[in-house]
Amino acid sequence: GESVGLHLPTLSVQEGDNSIINCAYSNSASDYFIWYKQESGKGPQFIIDIRSNMDKRQGQRVTVLLNKTVKHLSLQIAATQPGDSAVYFCAENEGGGNKLTFGTGTQLKVEL
Amino acid sequence: NAGVMQNPRHLVRRRGQEARLRCSPVKGHSHVYWYRQLPEEGLKFMVYLQKENIIDESGMPKERFSAEFPKEGPSILRIQQVVRGDSAAYFCASSQGQGASGNTIYFGEGSWLTVV
Repeated sequence: GESVGLHLPTLSVQEGDNSIINCAYSNSASDYFIWYKQESGKGPQFIIDIRSNMDKRQGQRVTVLLNKTVKHLSLQIAATQPGDSAVYFCAENEGGGNKLTFGTGTQLKVEL
Repeated sequence: NAGVMQNPRHLVRRRGQEARLRCSPVKGHSHVYWYRQLPEEGLKFMVYLQKENIIDESGMPKERFSAEFPKEGPSILRIQQVVRGDSAAYFCASSQGQGASGNTIYFGEGSWLTVV
């Protein structure tokens, strides 16, 4: 994941539009990636995961894309709703190890 | 959050006191993780435990911090002689098998520590 920053990048979208949240991961040996959603004052909530032997995985209204060549991960949310407003974190099992390393996070704001 | 229970949810301690944070994993989960989160930042790994064993404590400060996951009872994160810089949200997570290998890791709602 990215190194820590003091200000979260923010993505603002209109309700009903699609959202794309990006993440650059740090270690080419990482082989498992997860997206989490965190609402204010709450713990991270699992959204979707993907292994490195896959390029794409779909869930309900969400799709994760993995580009190992450029070490890039993205989360696509279809038909974004107000309830999707939260901070989204990507996480990797850095170097294929036994712990998850989290990125800085992206604040998603859904405008009505 | 699939049943990871943390308590207390909010804790206020004076500098120099001890803080004890408890975590009961999802029933049947034997892998527990502790993470720390500062405001506007991501989660930082602290320690990974399996029942009665510390597997990886590479993110744990060398002094004042300790963690355990006994055979019976919750996992405990203990912070001795707290300082203002310890103020943060501490999240516990659990998984059935090794989380980083693909077993879903579920997080609790966190314990917010404020040191005054």
